[in-house]
Amino acid sequence: DTAVSQTPKYLVTQMGNDKSIKCEQNLGHDTMYWYKQDSKKFLKIMFSYNNKELIINETVPNRFSPKSPDKAHLNLHINSLELGDSAVYFCASSQVHGTSAFQETQYFGPGTRLLVL
Amino acid sequence: RKEVEQDPGPFNVPEGATVAFNCTYSNSASQSFFWYRQDCRKEPKLLMSVYSSGNEDGRFTAQLNRASQYISLLIRDSKLSDSATYLCVVDLGGGADGLTFGKGTHLIIQP
Repeated sequence: DTAVSQTPKYLVTQMGNDKSIKCEQNLGHDTMYWYKQDSKKFLKIMFSYNNKELIINETVPNRFSPKSPDKAHLNLHINSLELGDSAVYFCASSQVHGTSAFQETQYFGPGTRLLVL
Repeated sequence: RKEVEQDPGPFNVPEGATVAFNCTYSNSASQSFFWYRQDCRKEPKLLMSVYSSGNEDGRFTAQLNRASQYISLLIRDSKLSDSATYLCVVDLGGGADGLTFGKGTHLIIQP
């Protein structure tokens, strides 16, 4: 069973379009995250979210919005896609944030490779 | 100064050798430390957490030096399958905003 899954695995789209990436975790974790990995392989946090709190990295454009229909899902919606949005987007989850190293262990999805043309 | 810094490498190491690399972090209040491994075009996966007293898992040893603010990873008897990018990950203690990743150290084990 896949612990953290993402769809689609690959996404090729035109500049200006709106797209969503879905993420689901079946680990019963309370916190989920979105990361962006750029062409230089640098992994950077975009959002973290649990039932109580959404934390947004201030460098993330407001064209990006996380949507969580329930605890097991955190989808990423992107409006007006730009060329610079091309990257690999990873979803991750952890049991509880900020209490112990064990509980903070993050499990990553397989990534969504987004290419904006 | 960057929050989490690593030597990007690549480190080219013959099979069977011992290799070590460090990672420095900027926030002395950081609480949790990890090494993740990322294979080409794959997601990062936890290799090991790093405890204050240091910890060992088979051929892998992780150390934390709080005074100098760095963590290290030692790989003994390296295998071809150890070839990957090793990401240093730190909870900088700045709030509920996820973990901060270093850019990774690329390791190539050569036969």
